[in-house]
Amino acid sequence: SQQGEEDPQALSIQEGENATMNCSYKTSINNLQWYRQNSGRGLVHLILIRSNEREKHSGRLRVTLDTSKKSSSLLITASRAADTASYFCATDAYQAGTALIFGKGTTLSVSS
Amino acid sequence: DADVTQTPRNRITKTGKRIMLECSQTKGHDRMYWYRQDPGLGLRLIYYSFDVKDINKGEISDGYSVSRQAQAKFSLSLESAIPNQTALYFCATSGDRGPRETQYFGPGTRLLVL
Repeated sequence: SQQGEEDPQALSIQEGENATMNCSYKTSINNLQWYRQNSGRGLVHLILIRSNEREKHSGRLRVTLDTSKKSSSLLITASRAADTASYFCATDAYQAGTALIFGKGTTLSVSS
Repeated sequence: DADVTQTPRNRITKTGKRIMLECSQTKGHDRMYWYRQDPGLGLRLIYYSFDVKDINKGEISDGYSVSRQAQAKFSLSLESAIPNQTALYFCATSGDRGPRETQYFGPGTRLLVL
């Protein structure tokens, strides 16, 4: 069963706007990762945030983690058409050790 | 990521046929994974291997088997394909200790079972 659930399922914005997507998870984690998938292609790692971190930045990406609420958010600032993709959060199953568990993803569409 | 390759990229097969999907990596990683992706369901783990002698079932292993022929090669087999195994299949690798580090994905194999 999925550990992470992204929200919203789909998001449409204009170029230059910010895009925010959220991820909620169920069990304790060591870290949470965000991946991007362009249509029909393999996933690409974007950023990893550890359970003892609250915020992390990478270029136009900002990730926050709230372990008390078991939630994370991914903010993409100044979106570009090339950011159009699906975005997935992935968590480690803390006790099960069954590698990463992915959410169902948020599909982001950025129009010019 | 060219470091993780999958063959074939597309495959059409018939119900009951045995097929094998292959994955090779040049990243030197010990850990390899097979996932399937269905529309609206995200990625689900089929099998994973932490080294050549280690094979573990994932969330949805029924109907699948795997072989870790070498550190760099991890194959997924469908012994008798059925239509609900139509999906996009991804191989991934990771390094370092523990299963919790960054994963690197292949380009995927699109499988259609008629």
